This record gives sequence, C-alpha cells and structure tokens, in this order.
Amino acid sequence: GENVEQHPSTLSVQEGDSAVIKCTYSDSASNYFPWYKQELGKRPQLIIDIRSNVGEKKDQRIAVTLNKTAKHFSLHITETQPEDSAVYFCAALGFGDKLIFGTGTRLQVFP
Amino acid sequence: GAGVSQTPSNKVTEKGKYVELRCDPISGHTALYWYRQSLGQGPEFLIYFQGTGAADDSGLPNDRFFAVRPEGSVSTLKIQRTERGDSAVYLCASSVGGNTEAFFGQGTRLTVV
Repeated sequence: GENVEQHPSTLSVQEGDSAVIKCTYSDSASNYFPWYKQELGKRPQLIIDIRSNVGEKKDQRIAVTLNKTAKHFSLHITETQPEDSAVYFCAALGFGDKLIFGTGTRLQVFP
Repeated sequence: GAGVSQTPSNKVTEKGKYVELRCDPISGHTALYWYRQSLGQGPEFLIYFQGTGAADDSGLPNDRFFAVRPEGSVSTLKIQRTERGDSAVYLCASSVGGNTEAFFGQGTRLTVV
C-alpha cells in the first residue's frame, strides 16, 4: 500500500544552523505534499506545502523541494531558532485523496 | 465553527466497553479524515470521507472500528469491545478536498484500562 518514509527520526542542531528533513513516498499518483509541525500536546499545524507542478517553494526561513522522478521531498529550515523545536511530519496525498503521513522527525534546536 | 472540534478531549474507558468519538469539521469542508496517533508516532490513517460516504476505510484496523458521517458534516468514530491497544490520541482533520490544507482538531485522548 501507500507509504511515506521520513528521516531522520531525531535531529539536533545549534541555533542558527540549518535543518533538513527528507521524505520518500511510494504512490506515484501523489500530487500534494504538506509539512506539519506538532508541538507537545498540540494538534499538527501546516507550515508549508508543495504541489506536484513545482519543484521548490519557499516561505521565509522554510523551504520545501520536490523531486517527482525520485519520489522524494525535503524540508529545509534555515537560521533555526529554539522555537522551531517540535516534531515535524511530512505527508503525501495520493490516489483517491488519501493523505498519508511520515513517522515524524523530532527537531531540537539548542541555544 | 472557527476550527475542527473534537469531543471529548479525554476519554477513559474500561476494556470491553463501547466508545464514540465525535468530530465537528470546519463548515463547508467536504473531506474529513480520521487518524490515530500513538506516542512518538506519526498520524496513522484510519478512514477518509468525501461528503457522506467513506471514500477509503482501508486504515481501520479491524471490524471493531466503524465511522459514520450521515449528513456530510459531523462524523463519529465508533469502537466496540475496546482493548488496551486501542489507547491513543484520535485525530480528526477536514479540508475542502483535493490538494488543499487539512486542518486538525485537538484530538481525543482515549485510554482503555
């Protein structure tokens, strides 16, 4: 069935450094790839998304890249800040609008 | 309402009991998803509604789990003969459909003792 793999599971960076999280998906019909941030005890919230007709999208310190041929996409956070610490989930919307999530990356930004 | 609302926020039940979890999506959102999230894991897909019909229920773990959305708005996730392994946070999300943002509710934390 459809599957989304996410790496790494944990990531620790120094404040100001960049963080990169990578995902791969299995359903070649996938055409929408959102990224969610989940703080402890809270609901997941969308931080950025990308559709299959573009290869890159940027929003201030956050960017997402998509390689449809290789079926992978990545989240890039530059100039990380302590408030970026959270769990990040990638997801892929595939055939029949089924939205499948990765297993998450726990990001810790140390001051 | 302003966002996706789930009730109750917490539910403790005894093994073997029946529970119902409710989701009120954002008004006008035709797509509704149910997920289960265990500690340290990503949201696990359970079922997806488009309007009143279940477009994909392939994530329901077994026949103890069932969900309805009779009028295309509020949805109820029903779990029969609960087991301790059912303990998790159950998340609901809604969207206008297609490749658009899905908004999550705050979840229902289910604990089966």
